[in-house]
Amino acid sequence: DAGITQSPRHKVTETGTPVTLRCHQTENHRYMYWYRQDPGHGLRLIHYSYGVKDTDKGEVSDGYSVSRSKTEDFLLTLESATSSQTSVYFCAITPGQNTEAFFGQGTRLTVV
Amino acid sequence: GDSVTQMEGPVTLSEEAFLTINCTYTATGYPSLFWYVQYPGEGLQLLLKATKADDKGSNKGFEATYRKETTSFHLEKGSVQVSDSAVYFCALSEDFGNEKLTFGTGTRLTIIP
Repeated sequence: DAGITQSPRHKVTETGTPVTLRCHQTENHRYMYWYRQDPGHGLRLIHYSYGVKDTDKGEVSDGYSVSRSKTEDFLLTLESATSSQTSVYFCAITPGQNTEAFFGQGTRLTVV
Repeated sequence: GDSVTQMEGPVTLSEEAFLTINCTYTATGYPSLFWYVQYPGEGLQLLLKATKADDKGSNKGFEATYRKETTSFHLEKGSVQVSDSAVYFCALSEDFGNEKLTFGTGTRLTIIP
């Protein structure tokens, strides 16, 4: 299995609070991604990174920010959580060049 | 922009039945195409891929052929097993240097003995 770990695996938080999800990889892959999975929508890209300190927005980036200060860590922050951000969040990594993407096991976030 | 349209689910089949899950795509250039599978409680894992027109990806008895003329990448398996029960996602990636994957909505497959 690819060395990719998400933490926490489950979290319940209150509306309006900040939340940070962590993705850690041991593969030294260049590209890292955050997706959210919702029924009827499949997986939608929130943000991605193509190197240390190099990040860009995906299709559903509003209300989210990311940081990548080291190759191995990619953090996703919900600045002020809302109920619409209740979802399952997946991190993915790939070395690039149309090769396989490896996914973490997901973080189930519930905003109450 | 890029998009992937997948057959609506859920799909329920008996063991040993033939499976087809349809997938069509819209892309600007010449994408690579993928099928990912998600077993209960797990992340996605690559099932098969094809990187150019007429390529056939195959794995674990599943096959899909990259059809540029019909912009399709349908997933097939000749004889399904209970262990194939999962959610299947069609996806594409364009060679724009960012390797982003665009996913379909997923098709939940249940195989009954």
